[in-house]
Amino acid sequence: DVKVTQSSRYLVKRTGEKVFLECVQDMDHENMFWYRQDPGLGLRLIYFSYDVKMKEKGDIPEGYSVSREKKERFSLILESASTNQTSMYLCASSTPTGTNTEAFFGQGTRLTVV
Amino acid sequence: QQQVKQSPQSLIVQKGGISIINCAYENTAFDYFPWYQQFPGKGPALLIAIRPDVSEKKEGRFTISFNKSAKQFSLHIMDSQPGDSATYFCAASDIGGSNYKLTFGKGTLLTVNP
Repeated sequence: DVKVTQSSRYLVKRTGEKVFLECVQDMDHENMFWYRQDPGLGLRLIYFSYDVKMKEKGDIPEGYSVSREKKERFSLILESASTNQTSMYLCASSTPTGTNTEAFFGQGTRLTVV
Repeated sequence: QQQVKQSPQSLIVQKGGISIINCAYENTAFDYFPWYQQFPGKGPALLIAIRPDVSEKKEGRFTISFNKSAKQFSLHIMDSQPGDSATYFCAASDIGGSNYKLTFGKGTLLTVNP
C-alpha cells in the first residue's frame, strides 16, 4: 500500500518561530510537492522537486523554503512563521510515467500560527 | 492568474441524482486532466483522469466529459450516494512538457442528501 507520511497532523507555533514540516514517501517516487489548502482557494503549489537536491518554486513560494537531501524525504520550512501561514499543508509524491502523473497525498498537517 | 476554473463552489444533490462539476482551463499545453476526491481529515485521492485524445471516460458511476475546443471538462456522478459527499478538485498538468506539477481548481463541496 503506497504511503505518504507527514510527521504531524496538528501543529501550533508562535509568530516568528522557524517551523519544519516533514514528509516521507515509500514509493521511490522522483517527484515531490508541497501544497497549501485554504477554504475557497483550493490547493496552491508552494514548492516542488523532481530529484534529490533539486527544487523549484511553485505559485506561492514567498515565506517558505524546502529541502530534499534524500529521495524519500521532502521538508517544508517556514523561516519565520506568520499568522497568514496558518493553513492545511499537504505533501504529495508522484512518478513520471509519460501518460499520467497520479499524485499520492499525505493526510495533511494543520498548522496554526499564533 | 487562475489557470483552472472550477464551478460550482458547492453543490447539494438528492440521493440517486446526478452531480455535475465543471472546469475550464486556459493553458493549451495541458494534456492530463484528473479529478481528485477529498474526504474530511484526509488528503485528496485520485478519482478518475482523462487525456485529451478521448472525449469521455467512464469508471463506474463516475464519468469525465472533455471538450478540447472549448477547453472544458466536467465530472458527472450518476446515482449520487451519501458516501459521495466530499470535496472534489479538478486539476491539469502538462505531461508532454515533462511538467508533472498539478494545477488545481478551487474545489467543489458536494453534499448528497439521503
